[in-house]
Amino acid sequence: SSELTQDPAVSVALGQTVRITCQGDSLRTYYASWYQQKPGQAPILVVYGKNNRPSGIPGRFTGSNSGNTASLSITGAQAQDEADYYCNSRDSSGDHWVFGGGTKLTVL
Amino acid sequence: EERLVESGGGVVRPGGSLRLSCAASGFSFDNYVMTWVRQGPGKGLEWVSDINWNGDSRGYADFVQGRFTISRDNAKNSLYLQMNNLRPEDTAFYYCARVRQIAADGIWWFDPWGQGTLVTVSS
Repeated sequence: SSELTQDPAVSVALGQTVRITCQGDSLRTYYASWYQQKPGQAPILVVYGKNNRPSGIPGRFTGSNSGNTASLSITGAQAQDEADYYCNSRDSSGDHWVFGGGTKLTVL
Repeated sequence: EERLVESGGGVVRPGGSLRLSCAASGFSFDNYVMTWVRQGPGKGLEWVSDINWNGDSRGYADFVQGRFTISRDNAKNSLYLQMNNLRPEDTAFYYCARVRQIAADGIWWFDPWGQGTLVTVSS
C-alpha cells in the first residue's frame, strides 16, 4: 500500500478548473512533486516544491500544500491535459521515496 | 539537452538476471543523485533504488530484498541496476531519473526521466 493517497480518477469539463490531491503524513515534513504521464510515454515533471514549474510547463499547472495534503490544480483544463498524474515525496522515514497511486484525469 | 537513455531490458525466466544501464548526457552526471523507478503493466509508478553522487550511499525499496544492486560509473556517465533472482512481479518498465533537491527545504524532484526499458519475467 502507498503512503501517499490519491483519488483514482477525476474528470473536468474543458476549460474548467480541477484539483488533484495527494494525502500522506510525510507531506507535513516534505513537499510533493507532481508528474504527468500520457499513454505509452515516460512521466514528466510538472510541479515541485512550494509551487515551482520546470521550463515548458504551462502556467495553468499550479501546486499548493496544506497540512498532510498536496494539491495540483489545472486552471482552464485543455484536452492535452488528459493523463495520469502522480505525486511523489519522501516516505515517513525520510530515507526513501514513495509515489501516490496515481489519478487518471479525464477532460470532458 | 539533458537526456537519459535506458537499455538492457528483455525477457528473462524467473530466477534469472538482467543488468539495466542508463546513459546520461547534457549535464554533469557526477553532481547528482540518480534513481530507478518502475511501472508494472497497468500499474502506477514505484520507486526502486537510488544512489548518491559517488556511490557511497544507496537506498532500496523493501521489495528489492537484496536482489537488486544499483551502481554508477561517473567516468562513463552511466547508471546501472543489476537485478538477480527475478520474479514475475518484477515485470515492468524501468525508468532512470535524475534527482534534484533543495534538501534543507524538504524539496526533491525527479527530472529528467529516460524513456524506460521493459523487463519481462516469464517462463
